[in-house]
Amino acid sequence: GQQVMQIPQYQHVQEGEDFTTYCNSSTTLSNIQWYKQRPGGHPVFLIQLVKSGEVKKQKRLTFQFGEAKKNSSLHITATQTTDVGTYFCAGRERGDEWDMRFGAGTRLTVKP
Amino acid sequence: ETGVTQSPTHLIKTRGQQVTLRCSSQSGHNTVSWYQQALGQGPQFIFQYYREEENGRGNFPPRFSGLQFPNYSSELNVNALELDDSALYLCASSSLAGANVLTFGAGSRLTVL
Repeated sequence: GQQVMQIPQYQHVQEGEDFTTYCNSSTTLSNIQWYKQRPGGHPVFLIQLVKSGEVKKQKRLTFQFGEAKKNSSLHITATQTTDVGTYFCAGRERGDEWDMRFGAGTRLTVKP
Repeated sequence: ETGVTQSPTHLIKTRGQQVTLRCSSQSGHNTVSWYQQALGQGPQFIFQYYREEENGRGNFPPRFSGLQFPNYSSELNVNALELDDSALYLCASSSLAGANVLTFGAGSRLTVL
């Protein structure tokens, strides 16, 4: 079945440094979503990518969807302490619209 | 607009017992999904309900069951609790009009002793 893998598992950065997390699926995805979960909180939707090669930006966050629609990345420029949390990618296979598979997440800590 | 609310927020059960968790979906959402999140892991899909019927299920045994009501609220029932069932149970509502983006509740933290 479909598997979604994320790397790295943990990332510790100094405030102001950049951060990237990578997401890879064993199968082609119809779309991919990114969520952020603050410590002690619940996942909160960040963005959805649908098109092959799509790139979207939200202020300091840049999201990419691979050409083959099997991988994605989230890049944060100049991290801030408010970026702390776990970032999850989640994807669906075409035809399995109900089955949203989450990666294990990348836990980001930021040292002020 | 109200978000997704879940109850109870925390509960402790012993092995073999049964538990019911409740979820009220966000206004305008007609689909409810349940996820299990173990400590340090990503959410694992349990099942999804649409129009009061289960229309998708993850790799969970039949002792995990659910309901959806006409007002789109939902319940998750787990029978014969096992120690490994200890986790955060997340309810997420969505709608096709909303591009199936998941809106999560704060979760119910279940501890099985």
